[in-house]
Amino acid sequence: ILNVEQSPQSLHVQEGDSTNFTCSFPSSNFYALHWYRWETAKSPEALFVMTLNGDEKKKGRISATLNTKEGYSYLYIKGSQPEDSATYLCALKWGGSQGNLIFGKGTKLSVKP
Amino acid sequence: NAGVMQNPRHLVRRRGQEARLRCSPMKGHSHVYWYRQLPEEGLKFMVYLQKENIIDESGMPKERFSAEFPKEGPSILRIQQVVRGDSAAYFCASHRLGDSGNTIYFGEGSWLTVV
Repeated sequence: ILNVEQSPQSLHVQEGDSTNFTCSFPSSNFYALHWYRWETAKSPEALFVMTLNGDEKKKGRISATLNTKEGYSYLYIKGSQPEDSATYLCALKWGGSQGNLIFGKGTKLSVKP
Repeated sequence: NAGVMQNPRHLVRRRGQEARLRCSPMKGHSHVYWYRQLPEEGLKFMVYLQKENIIDESGMPKERFSAEFPKEGPSILRIQQVVRGDSAAYFCASHRLGDSGNTIYFGEGSWLTVV
């Protein structure tokens, strides 16, 4: 059974704090790693698609890194704002371009003003 | 360019009825995933389709559930003889087939309530 693990499960921070979450996955048959931001009652919003070992991607205050050899990715948020409050999901696409996309359970971030 | 469209957004069915959920992928997208979100759980994979072909249905319950993605028209997830445990949000996502960096886009979900 393929497992994508995310930690922590939830996180409470103050406005202005920087934070990071971890996504761990089996490194065999790796194809791509996706990060999503998901607010309640909305569709998951794509943040990054990462494919190469050592990839680093950035979008505003959010960035992500990827290590395919050891099977992990980090998502960083610099200077958290209340509007960053959401669940952050990672998903592993494995086995090729028509491979499955398996999600972790997410990290729920709450940012207090 | 419209995003991934799902309908209905909310559906109420009595036990034993059938539920049909539709997903229109983004223009130019040839592949569709269906996921189910149960209360307090994450997104559980159900089925992965391309037009006229099921690629992976390993997440589909063996009975009552079926999915299709015809050459023309939306992808349909069909649940026959619904039971209370089928109450959940069902999400579809679509992508273009191509390089590994393709983004996979989600619809806003269909909420099924079985009464």
